[in-house]
Amino acid sequence: AQTVTQSQPEMSVQEAETVTLSCTYDTSESDYYLFWYKQPPSRQMILVIRQEAYKQQNATENRFSVNFQKAAKSFSLKISDSQLGDAAMYFCAYRRENTDKLIFGTGTRLQVFP
Amino acid sequence: AAGVIQSPRHLIKEKRETATLKCYPIPRHDTVYWYQQGPGQDPQFLISFYEKMQSDKGSIPDRFSAQQFSDYHSELNMSSLELGDSALYFCAIERGNTIYFGEGSWLTVV
Repeated sequence: AQTVTQSQPEMSVQEAETVTLSCTYDTSESDYYLFWYKQPPSRQMILVIRQEAYKQQNATENRFSVNFQKAAKSFSLKISDSQLGDAAMYFCAYRRENTDKLIFGTGTRLQVFP
Repeated sequence: AAGVIQSPRHLIKEKRETATLKCYPIPRHDTVYWYQQGPGQDPQFLISFYEKMQSDKGSIPDRFSAQQFSDYHSELNMSSLELGDSALYFCAIERGNTIYFGEGSWLTVV
């Protein structure tokens, strides 16, 4: 069975600095998708970034980028120039291609200090 | 813009009562998912539908049932409510191999 592990329950960063959130996963599949979702205090589940496993290039969305290491089954999220609005719970998630389920990690709570 | 409308946004029920949550994908969408997120937990997959047929089932209690209707909206029915059912319930759709969530329905069982 696929699993997703986020080993950092909490992280903190100073405004304008860079922070990296870790995620590892376990799967025997070769084709799959990885995601980072942000859940602010409003509890909305907001897509931050997506990575297709078949793509070697790391995904980037503005200040958010990933370091995808397929062999190591690692998928970390880097947030550059952190802003107060980045404070949230961040969930790493896995989805096997052509199946329904999103499997989530337990989340990392990010605090941003001015 | 495409999205998911959930209603009600907040619901308070007593133990042993029944609750129904509704989900309206906009525009109408052939695939719908339901997730449950308890306090301090990650979202757990409950059930999904494709073209009005159940496509996958997760950790959904037997007291819960769901359906996707001909207009593609979906409903999650929860009976014999327990205190532990208090949670945030998300409906989600798939678009381009990515799952997008509605704002969720808060259920409080007292």
